Amino acid sequence: AQRVTQPEKLLSVFKGAPVELKCNYSYSGSPELFWYVQYSRQRLQLLLRHISRESIKGFTADLNKGETSFHLKKPFAQEEDSAMYYCALSRGAQKLVFGQGTRLTINP
Amino acid sequence: GAVVSQHPSWVICKSGTSVKIECRSLDFQATTMFWYRQFPKQSLMLMATSNEGSKATYEQGVEKDKFLINHASLTLSTLTVTSAHPEDSSFYICSARDPTSGGETQYFGPGTRLLVL
Repeated sequence: AQRVTQPEKLLSVFKGAPVELKCNYSYSGSPELFWYVQYSRQRLQLLLRHISRESIKGFTADLNKGETSFHLKKPFAQEEDSAMYYCALSRGAQKLVFGQGTRLTINP
Repeated sequence: GAVVSQHPSWVICKSGTSVKIECRSLDFQATTMFWYRQFPKQSLMLMATSNEGSKATYEQGVEKDKFLINHASLTLSTLTVTSAHPEDSSFYICSARDPTSGGETQYFGPGTRLLVL
């Protein structure tokens, strides 16, 4: 069965500190993974996807098939990064399986 | 970027009534839209895939007669919760894929909060 696990419901770091939001997945095929972000009072929006191998707002995520992980990282957190982050896996036909989400709080 | 709207943003209804939620793609045509449900402090769960001009495909455990989906045009999908009960109270979110954007980017609506009394 397809599953996405985000072990941390809450994560709090200080401004300027490195951030890592963990995501592990379970999928028998070749996974396509995404990170979505939801800022306060806003809708869910795509942050990045592993296929693009891009950096958005300073965030990067590397797919590690050996560890079945897709952790989201940023070297220096900013206050505006405070949000809810969801890791998601596409199981084909654009059907997404979401993790439980991690609420990231950046303290000044 | 592509925008998806939902209407209403919240609705309160009595048990036994039906509620219709609209999902619109405002500046693009979406052959496929998706409906999700989110319980408090839980993740989004895909309910069904709405296909323009054809029947929706439902995820396992989702009652198709309970949650009626209609995708009559390339910019509108509707979800009707029939004979709503308190356990149907939830946050319903739709998304749409813009086929011109490439890749698998889904654009999400702001969600509709349903409270059944």
